[in-house]
Amino acid sequence: QQQVKQSPQSLIVQKGGISIINCAYENTAFDYFPWYQQFPGKGPALLIAIRPDVSEKKEGRFTISFNKSAKQFSLHIMDSQPGDSATYFCAASNRGGGFKTIFGAGTRLFVKA
Amino acid sequence: EAGVVQSPRYKIIEKKQPVAFWCNPISGHNTLYWYRQNLGQGPELLIRYENEEAVDDSQLPKDRFSAERLKGVDSTLKIQPAELGDSAVYLCASSLKRGGPYEQYFGPGTRLTVT
Repeated sequence: QQQVKQSPQSLIVQKGGISIINCAYENTAFDYFPWYQQFPGKGPALLIAIRPDVSEKKEGRFTISFNKSAKQFSLHIMDSQPGDSATYFCAASNRGGGFKTIFGAGTRLFVKA
Repeated sequence: EAGVVQSPRYKIIEKKQPVAFWCNPISGHNTLYWYRQNLGQGPELLIRYENEEAVDDSQLPKDRFSAERLKGVDSTLKIQPAELGDSAVYLCASSLKRGGPYEQYFGPGTRLTVT
């Protein structure tokens, strides 16, 4: 119930292409869904986040799509660049759980120049 | 503004030895988190502090792990004795307020290797 399942484990995309990472959750009490970006040797950094009352949120080249009925959400990176090469984590939390954040296992993205 | 500071960055110890990690959160952040990140996995919460109070330590293996946050600022996480399975990156994070999904700012982590 507390898990967040993330796929794919790794992803290779050509420069300029679209990177898509998917996540699914079981706990319908989750009400905050952030995505974090982590570079080697660094801690995760918040990239973009969404609440379940909207179906999509866009910030620059990054878009979260949210499907509440399917309990799924995804990150789309448009015009992917080599600098986007990193590990991406989806996560979920809820007010009732003290906003304890549950992270997915991560997706290693490599953007080929 | 300085970010979350952690030390040491790397630590190699033999099993059964003690080890301690230190974290200095962003100034003014009263919520502090310790996470463990195993290789190829996402971070898993060990303990969360609101000021000096540990409000969620349900995932902390209390037989060997301990943590403290004196004066509600710096925090120390200790393992005694360390086991081979404790090899991981230990991340500290902080956020500004309690009671909301405020952005967590992570430090660079301490990579622990237990041999």
